[in-house]
Amino acid sequence: ETGVTQSPTHLIKTRGQQVTLRCSSQSGHNTVSWYQQALGQGPQFIFQYYREEENGRGNFPPRFSGLQFPNYSSELNVNALELDDSALYLCASSLEGQGAETQYFGPGTRLLVL
Amino acid sequence: QQQVKQSPQSLIVQKGGISIINCAYENTAFDYFPWYQQFPGKGPALLIAIRPDVSEKKEGRFTISFNKSAKQFSLHIMDSQPGDSATYFCAATIGGYGQNFVFGPGTRLSVLP
Repeated sequence: ETGVTQSPTHLIKTRGQQVTLRCSSQSGHNTVSWYQQALGQGPQFIFQYYREEENGRGNFPPRFSGLQFPNYSSELNVNALELDDSALYLCASSLEGQGAETQYFGPGTRLLVL
Repeated sequence: QQQVKQSPQSLIVQKGGISIINCAYENTAFDYFPWYQQFPGKGPALLIAIRPDVSEKKEGRFTISFNKSAKQFSLHIMDSQPGDSATYFCAATIGGYGQNFVFGPGTRLSVLP
C-alpha cells in the first residue's frame, strides 16, 4: 500500500450537484496532485497544491477547486456537476522538489453523475 | 505537443512470453518518462522510469528502451506472468510533476496461464 488514502471509494450524484472528495497524503509528503481518469483513459492532471496554495493547473474549468490543509490532507471540490464528470478521481502525494519519483497514488474515488 | 501516444490498446501474451508496449511523444522538453502499472480498483503505481540521457534501463523483468531521436520509448516485460495482467500507462513530464505530467491512454495486458 502507498499510504495515500481517499474517501469515499464510490459516490453517486446527480447533474448540477456539488461534490467534495478527500485525500490523505503519505506521511511527510507536502505536495498533492489531483487527476481525473475517465473510463479507458489515462489520468489527466487537474491541479497540484503545495503549502496550501495551488501550484499548477491543468485544462479544467474553475468549478473544479481544491484545498490543502496544514496536515497535508486535501480536498477536491466540483460544483455544478456534469455527466462528463463521471470518472475515477485520483490524488497523488509527493515531496516538493522530488517529483514523480516520489509520487504515490491513492486508490481513487469513483464518481458517477446521473 | 503535450500528447503521449501509446500502443497497443490491448495485448494478450502467453505465460513466459515477452510483452512490448510502445509510446511516442512530441514535446522535446519532456525529461522524465515513467511507466505505471494499475490493477483494477487501485491507483497507478510507479513501475520503472528513465531519463533521456540513457537508452535503456532494466529492473528485474522490466526494461525501458528509449530512442531520443525518434521520440519513442517502450516497455518490455520479459517472462510475462499472469500476475502482470494489468493496465500499463506510459507518461512524460517536465521537471517531474505538475501540469506537465502527461499520461498515455493505457494498454490492457492479459497474460494467459
